[in-house]
Amino acid sequence: DTEVTQTPKHLVMGMTNKKSLKCEQHMGHRAMYWYKQKAKKPPELMFVYSYEKLSINESVPSRFSPECPNSSLLNLHLHALQPEDSALYLCASSQDLYPGDTGELFFGEGSRLTVL
Amino acid sequence: SQKIEQNSEALNIQEGKTATLTCNYTNYSPAYLQWYRQDPGRGPVFLLLIRENEKEKRKERLKVTFDTTLKQSLFHITASQPADSATYLCALDFSSASKIIFGSGTRLSIRP
Repeated sequence: DTEVTQTPKHLVMGMTNKKSLKCEQHMGHRAMYWYKQKAKKPPELMFVYSYEKLSINESVPSRFSPECPNSSLLNLHLHALQPEDSALYLCASSQDLYPGDTGELFFGEGSRLTVL
Repeated sequence: SQKIEQNSEALNIQEGKTATLTCNYTNYSPAYLQWYRQDPGRGPVFLLLIRENEKEKRKERLKVTFDTTLKQSLFHITASQPADSATYLCALDFSSASKIIFGSGTRLSIRP
């Protein structure tokens, strides 16, 4: 069983809706990630939070807005999405013991997003 | 720019044989490389991590090698089983800021 929990598992939204994806981990990990995965493609890095601060934004459109309220929680706020944003959104965490030694990623099961 | 390539998009082998998957990278010297397994509709699961000063690492039927001169890692599954069928991804940390990027993946199918 994964120790990273993502909700909701499935989300259908219109292009004018505002919704949020949530991720939670209780392993004491200090780095948290959002990845986007389209069918038959590898996970594509979107954002990295390290010690609750945004450390990497891979030029993601502003209609995706990440938030890290505390060390256990990671949110992805969605607004004015396009149908091409439909994908599996994966959250992950890692120990991030020190720079250059992130350690393994623990993934959640993902949130399947459909934009109509 | 940095690139990670997994040469085979798909690999089909007979049960009991050894599956060998390849991961090549360019324009970078990573401190370590990771391998993950992903089943359809699920998140990737970590399998093995190998550091730049390690030539080989083993875990049960899995073996990973890391050749920093060739910029290549090989991932082997010995005595393969149909349950090993999945997509296998290699991953590199392309910075000292947890920028973990995945290769394109290899879909492995083990036929009985």
